[in-house]
Amino acid sequence: QQQVKQSPQSLIVQKGGIPIINCAYENTAFDYFPWYQQFPGKGPALLIAIRPDVSEKKEGRFTISFNKSAKQFSLHIMDSQPGDSATYFCAAGGVGYALNFGKGTSLLVTP
Amino acid sequence: DADVTQTPRNRITKTGKRIMLECSQTKGHDRMYWYRQDPGLGLRLIYYSFDVKDINKGEISDGYSVSRQAQAKFSLSLESAIPNQTALYFCATSEGGGARYNEQFFGPGTRLTVL
Repeated sequence: QQQVKQSPQSLIVQKGGIPIINCAYENTAFDYFPWYQQFPGKGPALLIAIRPDVSEKKEGRFTISFNKSAKQFSLHIMDSQPGDSATYFCAAGGVGYALNFGKGTSLLVTP
Repeated sequence: DADVTQTPRNRITKTGKRIMLECSQTKGHDRMYWYRQDPGLGLRLIYYSFDVKDINKGEISDGYSVSRQAQAKFSLSLESAIPNQTALYFCATSEGGGARYNEQFFGPGTRLTVL
């Protein structure tokens, strides 16, 4: 059973737009929700992460919104740039659990 | 990230061959992981190790085995490679315990092709 469901699979936005990527998780024991960014030919790298004690976290142009009751969280990229074009993975994990990754979203930001 | 290294970076092999992928880390982390990445399927966990004496199967362990030779080294073996094991393989590490224990640091990946 897939523990983390991510959508959309791919996304195209214009420069300056606000792409939104959504994830839903199953296990209520999860308490750590990171987003990873992967550029072609590279390994994924941690972008931003949130714990369920807050509903939102911002780091620069990247924001995570978290809805504990709905078991959903999302990534928003403000003022998106062509350099943000990458694959984004959400994940969920907790004490005693390995991270469960979503299937990824390929983002293209056009000039 | 030079803190997590994987060898080889690329490998082409034939069906039935035994192959080993190696991972080394200088981050001093206790926990190490092996993932495979396939287009449209994301990252899937093969095996993970929370310390040298602890090995756990992940989502897709069939056809794979691992060895944790030391805190810094974690190897993945394909005893008899088959074409559907063609994929991009990543090693990752994380700290054990504490508030940041789940942050994972990935190596550069090994592209494996099984003919």
